[in-house]
Amino acid sequence: EVQLVESGGGLVQPGRSLKLSCAASGFTFSNYYMAWVRQAPKKGLEWVATISTSGSRTYYPDSVKGRFTISRDNAKSSLYLQMNSLKSEDTATYYCARHSLTTVATDYWGQGVMVTVSS
Amino acid sequence: DIQMTQSPASLSASLGETISIECRASEDIYSNLAWYQQKSGKSPQLLIYAANRLQDGVPSRFSGSGSGTQYSLKISGMQPEDEGDYFCLQGSKFPLTFGSGTKLEIK
Repeated sequence: EVQLVESGGGLVQPGRSLKLSCAASGFTFSNYYMAWVRQAPKKGLEWVATISTSGSRTYYPDSVKGRFTISRDNAKSSLYLQMNSLKSEDTATYYCARHSLTTVATDYWGQGVMVTVSS
Repeated sequence: DIQMTQSPASLSASLGETISIECRASEDIYSNLAWYQQKSGKSPQLLIYAANRLQDGVPSRFSGSGSGTQYSLKISGMQPEDEGDYFCLQGSKFPLTFGSGTKLEIK
């Protein structure tokens, strides 16, 4: 069974940093592109980052480019999101998601972890 | 960036009714379109990928269609468990972009 379990969320002050982790199991992690997607309270979904199988290619929207870094450790079947210079608008539930092998669609999602940026 | 315009924002349907949700892309996305369902307090679930391919385990009352810039999700025979929010996602180009969502409720 595919499982994605996020951790590392919490309350953080504006301008500070936080690192999210996602532990993957039930599939060959190194074969899949992975992503982070977020959802602000009562709002829609926003794609945050994608990383290639080896980690050599990463993609971000302008809203987080230069502040967030996605990375992975295939030996540990783990995905990470380093978030720096956090802003109040980064407050959201962050989901770890697996991209499908055949399309860009994300076919499995974790349960999400809440990040609150507030003083 | 490709903009995804999703409509309607909300929809109320009777049990057994057939409903449609639309997504329009700001440019051709070559069927790189997925649909998700999100129930209250849960993470999104993939329903449709590549515009019209049903994800494993998804009931056949869900179907997707469209091409170019216009896509739709149809539910043929609304069931109580279909209540929730629905989102489209374009995967043609980075940055990936979602539609704004449709809240579907039972009438």
